[in-house]
Amino acid sequence: QVQLQESGPGLVKPSGTLSLTCAVSGGSISSSDWWSWVRQPPGKGLEWIGEIYPSGSVNYNPSLKSRVTISVDKSKNQFSLRLSSVTAADTAVYYCARFHTGRFDYWGQGTLVTVSS
Amino acid sequence: EIVLTQSPGTLSLSPGERATLSCRASQSVTSAYLGWYQQKPGQAPRLLIFATSSRATGIPDRFSGSGSGTDFTLTISRLEPEDSAVYYCQQYGSSMYTFGQGTKLEIK
Repeated sequence: QVQLQESGPGLVKPSGTLSLTCAVSGGSISSSDWWSWVRQPPGKGLEWIGEIYPSGSVNYNPSLKSRVTISVDKSKNQFSLRLSSVTAADTAVYYCARFHTGRFDYWGQGTLVTVSS
Repeated sequence: EIVLTQSPGTLSLSPGERATLSCRASQSVTSAYLGWYQQKPGQAPRLLIFATSSRATGIPDRFSGSGSGTDFTLTISRLEPEDSAVYYCQQYGSSMYTFGQGTKLEIK
């Protein structure tokens, strides 16, 4: 059973950089799957942020592309998200998820990140 | 970007009734990449249906999906109180994923 766990600061200052890590257990991040970040502002819907393949190939949501960097650390079986120049609009629950054979089959529990001074 | 529009926004039904949730795409979606997720308060989304009509592991056969092209449907027969949740459709295409805005299902 694959498990994903997000970690990182719960509070980030405006104009700062949001940094989160997703630790994968019960499976290898080097499998032939894509690993994604998805966010959900309070009381709103789901927004895909971007994804990474074990080789390091990435795809980003065009609306966030200029501010997003996703990286992978295969030695630690984890992948990370960096979102720069954050504003209050970036306040959300951030989820990591595995995209396997056409679906998001495993999700982390999510972590709330608040952007506030 | 493919926009997914779900209807209705909110659905209020009684136990034992059937729920029909709609997901309409702004352009044709590959059926293999259309999924449905259930989200309860404070929880991560849970995969229900993938590839338009295949149930995920452990999902009861009360849940079924159908559709093609730009129109897709999630049907929940014989509603139970624990089906109360927000349901999202999601598609993948051209290295991009999008979600519908969600349908809130209330069980009276």
